[in-house]
Amino acid sequence: KNEVEQSPQNLTAQEGEFITINCSYSVGISALHWLQQHPGGGIVSLFMLSSGKKKHGRLIATINIQEKHSSLHITASHPRDSAVYICAVGKEGNKLVFGAGTILRVKS
Amino acid sequence: GAGVSQSPSNKVTEKGKDVELRCDPISGHTALYWYRQSLGQGLEFLIYFQGNSAPDKSGLPSDRFSAERTGGSVSTLTIQRTQQEDSAVYLCASSLARNTGELFFGEGSRLTVL
Repeated sequence: KNEVEQSPQNLTAQEGEFITINCSYSVGISALHWLQQHPGGGIVSLFMLSSGKKKHGRLIATINIQEKHSSLHITASHPRDSAVYICAVGKEGNKLVFGAGTILRVKS
Repeated sequence: GAGVSQSPSNKVTEKGKDVELRCDPISGHTALYWYRQSLGQGLEFLIYFQGNSAPDKSGLPSDRFSAERTGGSVSTLTIQRTQQEDSAVYLCASSLARNTGELFFGEGSRLTVL
């Protein structure tokens, strides 16, 4: 079993829909990261969190340390949100273990 | 610089040749990381530098891989006697501090070994 599991693997949504991507992990962590990777592009850090909830624009990330689970929510989704979203956990600082990623496609 | 800079952006080499990949982190960032993203696979950690401490090399896949960071800034990842399975995108990231820093990624160096 992978140390970081993401679901779903693929997600297609209609523009405007509320989207949730889930991440479960099985190891002790110092922090959890949500990353975004556009096709052919680099990786952008969306959130780094170790407790509670963070919000940035239409993006919200939550983490439950006891349940070892995090969610990334996108409100009012837009085609430009189409990307791969990657959950990564830092077992020792930023020595990260990565999930397999969720491929999101938002249709207009 | 404004962001993490990596070079070359693309490198095609023949099996058995050595390659060097360069990473110039954000000025002032003490932590520097190398990751690899292989085709059809996820990201994996390779090596981590923090200030003047000895690097954490625990993610390097074989002794053909090495990295150094000169003067606490620029880092070079060297792959000796490249193999086809080394083909991947090699990503560098930096952060202000090890445990508290948001990661900033470079655009990556795409290595193709023929």
